[in-house]
Amino acid sequence: KAGVTQTPRYLIKTRGQQVTLSCSPISGHRSVSWYQQTPGQGLQFLFEYFSETQRNKGNFPGRFSGRQFSNSRSEMNVSTLELGDSALYLCASSGAGTGGTDTQYFGPGTRLTVL
Amino acid sequence: QKEVEQNSGPLSVPEGAIASLNCTYSDRGSQSFFWYRQYSGKSPELIMSIYSNGDKEDGRFTAQLNKASQYVSLLIRDSQPSDSATYLCAVNGPGGYNKLIFGAGTRLAVHP
Repeated sequence: KAGVTQTPRYLIKTRGQQVTLSCSPISGHRSVSWYQQTPGQGLQFLFEYFSETQRNKGNFPGRFSGRQFSNSRSEMNVSTLELGDSALYLCASSGAGTGGTDTQYFGPGTRLTVL
Repeated sequence: QKEVEQNSGPLSVPEGAIASLNCTYSDRGSQSFFWYRQYSGKSPELIMSIYSNGDKEDGRFTAQLNKASQYVSLLIRDSQPSDSATYLCAVNGPGGYNKLIFGAGTRLAVHP
């Protein structure tokens, strides 16, 4: 089975721009979670989507948004980029979505650099 | 108090020794616990999940959970230089579903 894929792998943007990152979960998985990883804050939860619905959200400003499509692929968008948004953005997929916490498998990440 | 705490290390062990990694969490309602390994420049990869008190073994890895003490640990037996990485403890977060709260990670260095 193919793993989680994320595109693009690397991205360089300037302050004030916006960016869209894409994630394709493992085949059959319906839940996609997004995380931000920085040296200072570590891995932090952004949001989770299941069946095109956002089920949970972390403590990030409204500039961070996401969506999920009917094929479970997900995108996240960051508008009005700030220098502090430079990070590794990780997508994780999981299966059943029963309400508990399923095992999550991470993609390779998108490295975003904001200049 | 951080929600999930780990000693940042580095934890240095000789090859062949047992490495012991510890994690404490603050939410008594947490039910799901995970250990991930992350090599420098790579994404986290799952080592093990544990949901019940006690020990869970998988090859050279043993996870231990004590919900009363709000403590979860990972033992790595017969440590190898290839085990040198950052080990992340993750606990399910409030709100349910697939929200994980991660510790800052413990850097493990296994020297020949």
